[in-house]
Amino acid sequence: KAGVTQTPRYLIKTRGQQVTLSCSPISGHRSVSWYQQTPGQGLQFLFEYFSETQRNKGNFPGRFSGRQFSNSRSEMNVSTLELGDSALYLCASSLGGSPGETQYFGPGTRLLVL
Amino acid sequence: DQQVKQNSPSLSVQEGRISILNCDYTNSMFDYFLWYKKYPAEGPTFLISISSIKDKNEDGRFTVFLNKSAKHLSLHIVPSQPGDSAVYFCAASGMGNYKLTFGKGTLLTVNP
Repeated sequence: KAGVTQTPRYLIKTRGQQVTLSCSPISGHRSVSWYQQTPGQGLQFLFEYFSETQRNKGNFPGRFSGRQFSNSRSEMNVSTLELGDSALYLCASSLGGSPGETQYFGPGTRLLVL
Repeated sequence: DQQVKQNSPSLSVQEGRISILNCDYTNSMFDYFLWYKKYPAEGPTFLISISSIKDKNEDGRFTVFLNKSAKHLSLHIVPSQPGDSAVYFCAASGMGNYKLTFGKGTLLTVNP
């Protein structure tokens, strides 16, 4: 089975711009979660989607949003980028049937905001 | 408030010896725990997990121990190999919650 894929792998933006990141889960997985990894804060949960519905949300400002499509693919969007948004954004997928399932991660998108 | 803590930022061991990575948690609602390994510029790779109804789970060279009363878990790698050198993250989730809460990671270096 193919793993979780994320595009693009690297991205450079300037402050004030917006960005959209894409994630394709493992085939058959219906839950997609997004995490932000920074050197200071580690891995922090952004949100989780299942069947096109957001089930969980982390403590991030409203500039961070996401969505999931009927084929389980997911996108996350960050508007009005700030320097502090520079991070590795990771997507993870799981079957989605129950809490505590193992999540499998993609390679991440490295975002640099200048 | 850091609910999952990995107090050792780094650990260095000799090839062939045991590596023990530790993790503490504060939230008693956590009932599922996972370990991930991460190389630079890659996403975390799932290693092993344990649910709160167990106190030990083994998979090859990897064993995870859970002490619920102490809110402590550990990952044992025996024998350690140079290819095990990576950052190891402990993660936890609670009943009804689909998110993982991560520790800040421990950098393991296995010296040949």
